[in-house]
Amino acid sequence: GQQLNQSPQSMFIQEGEDVSMNCTSSSIFNTWLWYKQDPGEGPVLLIALYKAGELTSNGRLTAQFGITRKDSFLNISASIPSDVGIYFCAGPGYGGATNKLIFGTGTLLAVQP
Amino acid sequence: GAGVSQSPSNKVTEKGKDVELRCDPISGHTALYWYRQSLGQGLEFLIYFQGNSAPDKSGLPSDRFSAERTGGSVSTLTIQRTQQEDSAVYLCASSLVGSEQYFGPGTRLTVT
Repeated sequence: GQQLNQSPQSMFIQEGEDVSMNCTSSSIFNTWLWYKQDPGEGPVLLIALYKAGELTSNGRLTAQFGITRKDSFLNISASIPSDVGIYFCAGPGYGGATNKLIFGTGTLLAVQP
Repeated sequence: GAGVSQSPSNKVTEKGKDVELRCDPISGHTALYWYRQSLGQGLEFLIYFQGNSAPDKSGLPSDRFSAERTGGSVSTLTIQRTQQEDSAVYLCASSLVGSEQYFGPGTRLTVT
């Protein structure tokens, strides 16, 4: 079945550093979503990508839809302590069903003040 | 306005007992989703409700799992004869059709 692999699994960085994480799939996706989950909360959508090659920003966050449609990248610039959390990529399930999102295993980000 | 709410926030139950988890979606959202998040894992789709259509139950892991949505609003996820492998955080989300899913805080289920 479809799987999304995220790397790295975890990152421990200093405040102010830039962060980069990625998500890859063995199959093509036509939509890529990036979520952040704070402890004890549900995931919150950060950025949605709908077109191969698309580069989208949301404040200090920038995400790209890979040209092969099998990967996506999320970058965070000038990290701050509140960036701490788990970042998930997600995409539509089999057949492009947006009601059945498939999630990656997540990247845990820790930011040292 | 109010977001998606779930209750209880935590539930500890003994193996073999039945549990019910509740989700109150955002008012006006016709779509409702249940996901399961095991420790250190991503979210796993369980079931999807849309309006009065038959629910998409394709993600339910076994026949011990069932869900209903009454009056197109509140939903209940029921797990019968709980097993230790059912321990996880159960997340509910709601949305307008084809739009962003808004997640609740989840119910952490521990089966002892």
